[in-house]
Amino acid sequence: DGGITQSPKYLFRKEGQNVTLSCEQNLNHDAMYWYRQDPGQGLRLIYYSQIVNDFQKGDIAEGYSVSREKKESFPLTVTSAQKNPTAFYLCATKQGLNDYGYTFGSGTRLTVV
Amino acid sequence: AQSVSQHNHHVILSEAASLELGCNYSYGGTVNLFWYVQYPGQHLQLLLKYFSGDPLVKGIKGFEAEFIKSKFSFNLRKPSVQWSDTAEYFCAVYGNKLVFGAGTILRVKS
Repeated sequence: DGGITQSPKYLFRKEGQNVTLSCEQNLNHDAMYWYRQDPGQGLRLIYYSQIVNDFQKGDIAEGYSVSREKKESFPLTVTSAQKNPTAFYLCATKQGLNDYGYTFGSGTRLTVV
Repeated sequence: AQSVSQHNHHVILSEAASLELGCNYSYGGTVNLFWYVQYPGQHLQLLLKYFSGDPLVKGIKGFEAEFIKSKFSFNLRKPSVQWSDTAEYFCAVYGNKLVFGAGTILRVKS
């Protein structure tokens, strides 16, 4: 089955620790995105990557980092600099620049205790 | 800068009532418009989309939306809601990136 795999589904971390969220896709889509979902705020763009070895900051990139070493993978690291990391994180892909059909993963709920 | 505004955060309706969820956006150029739905515990799913042509678009499950360019609006409608429509609905606009509204939680009472 083609799709996006986000792991883990639930993640608990202590305050001050870095944590990496995984996003893997087998759709052969060029572009990948990370969104953060908070109640009453919708989805906000953290980082995106349109091609391998290239990525851009979204609207709320502070405290996060990403890499895109392979087309299939776009991991997101939530660093200790992120002031309020507890949230639901969604990864999405898009086939190409001229395609507007986004596919979303099932998300990772991160709780910092 | 792009922005999307959804008018209501919570809507409660009885079954068979009509639904209209408001969405307005701001962006200076050409846009593509989307409505996504997230049922409890499930993925975000595309409900419908507008790229060009007929401004009245029909989506899945009896939903439709109308793009009114002069009002920068893309309201979602359904003539008769069902209990299974209980979900969170997100309007999204693609100008130079995909930007989401804050979402509207719809609860349909049976």
